[in-house]
Amino acid sequence: GESVGLHLPTLSVQEGDNSIINCAYSNSASDYFIWYKQESGKGPQFIIDIRSNMDKRQGQRVTVLLNKTVKHLSLQIAATQPGDSAVYFCAEVPDKLIFGTGTRLQVFP
Amino acid sequence: NAGVTQTPKFQVLKTGQSMTLQCAQDMNHEYMSWYRQDPGMGLRLIHYSVGAGITDQGEVPNGYNVSRSTTEDFPLRLLSAAPSQTSVYFCASSPGHYNEQFFGPGTRLTVL
Repeated sequence: GESVGLHLPTLSVQEGDNSIINCAYSNSASDYFIWYKQESGKGPQFIIDIRSNMDKRQGQRVTVLLNKTVKHLSLQIAATQPGDSAVYFCAEVPDKLIFGTGTRLQVFP
Repeated sequence: NAGVTQTPKFQVLKTGQSMTLQCAQDMNHEYMSWYRQDPGMGLRLIHYSVGAGITDQGEVPNGYNVSRSTTEDFPLRLLSAAPSQTSVYFCASSPGHYNEQFFGPGTRLTVL
């Protein structure tokens, strides 16, 4: 069936380090992928997206990498800050948005 | 723009009661959807709509009804609440399938 999963349920990083959050997807028909950030008590917030005709996309301090061969997606956050602490979800779109279970990012001083 | 608004923020129901969760957006988005999020879990799609008058089922539609009479509004109805429907419900909208979805603040529902 369709599924989007994450390898690391919790990631702890030191402030200033780079963070890498990984995601595996299983639906080869997916052609659009999104990363969301969810802070406690709030709805998900869009971070960055990528379409299947690309393998890399950069935003402000964030980079998404897509490897369609192994159905793998990653989110890289440069110079991680305390404000980056949240749960991060990847989501794929074969025909509708399907969320993964999330990774909690903890940033310590 | 107010974006996506949801009411109420909190609701407690007894088993068997019915209620409607409201969702509205003022961005003229065609695509709207409802998700539920259980503790420590990701979001699961309940129902979605690609435009006024069109709705479709998501991953977990049982026990919920939706309608889309206008572009702006997409209410979610619980027909007969059950404790298994205790969750946080998020409404989202986007211009289309392949666009960023904007999420509302959520409704926290408890069914006793």
